[in-house]
Amino acid sequence: DADVTQTPRNRITKTGKRIMLECSQTKGHDRMYWYRQDPGLGLRLIYYSFDVKDINKGEISDGYSVSRQAQAKFSLSLESAIPNQTALYFCATRGAVGNTIYFGEGSWLTVV
Amino acid sequence: AQKVTQAQTEISVVEKEDVTLDCVYETRDTTYYLFWYKQPPSGELVFLIRRNSFDEQNEISGRYSWNFQKSTSSFNFTITASQVVDSAVYFCALSESSGSARQLTFGSGTQLTVLP
Repeated sequence: DADVTQTPRNRITKTGKRIMLECSQTKGHDRMYWYRQDPGLGLRLIYYSFDVKDINKGEISDGYSVSRQAQAKFSLSLESAIPNQTALYFCATRGAVGNTIYFGEGSWLTVV
Repeated sequence: AQKVTQAQTEISVVEKEDVTLDCVYETRDTTYYLFWYKQPPSGELVFLIRRNSFDEQNEISGRYSWNFQKSTSSFNFTITASQVVDSAVYFCALSESSGSARQLTFGSGTQLTVLP
């Protein structure tokens, strides 16, 4: 089983709809991240969280919100999806010791 | 601000050829970490290596090797005797030690195609 699990893996939604991407991890890490990948742009940080009570905006947070429900769970919401939010979304975790970030398998989101 | 540049957008090689993927980075920190990730067609990101700024020793892992040179701010990745299964997008990334986020800054990736 994957250490970092994302659901759904694929979703097609309509413009204006609310969509939530969920992430859970079994690595016991405090730090969790949401990234977005677009062709030719690499990965860009949307939000990050250092613990349940700590939420921070990343590089491209507009149009997104997050919730850290527990140490192991970090969800990303698009309150009103728009087509340019079509992308591959990654959840990631990092422990307090060491700097390697481990990624989930990605969630393909298409907004039509 | 930190920046990672992967100038090679796409590379095609024939199986068994050696190939080097270039990565150049910019940072003002003296302590930082460099990474390579592989993204196969299925989409997941696979961690390959982490190197900290104090360790300039080159590393070899099977057919993979990495050449870290602080003097040129480069962290290049070589695949020896490439195989079709090496076809993927490869990302170089940088994490500074300072800053509250310590998030990774990614390059734009290099699409490697290994032809049979």
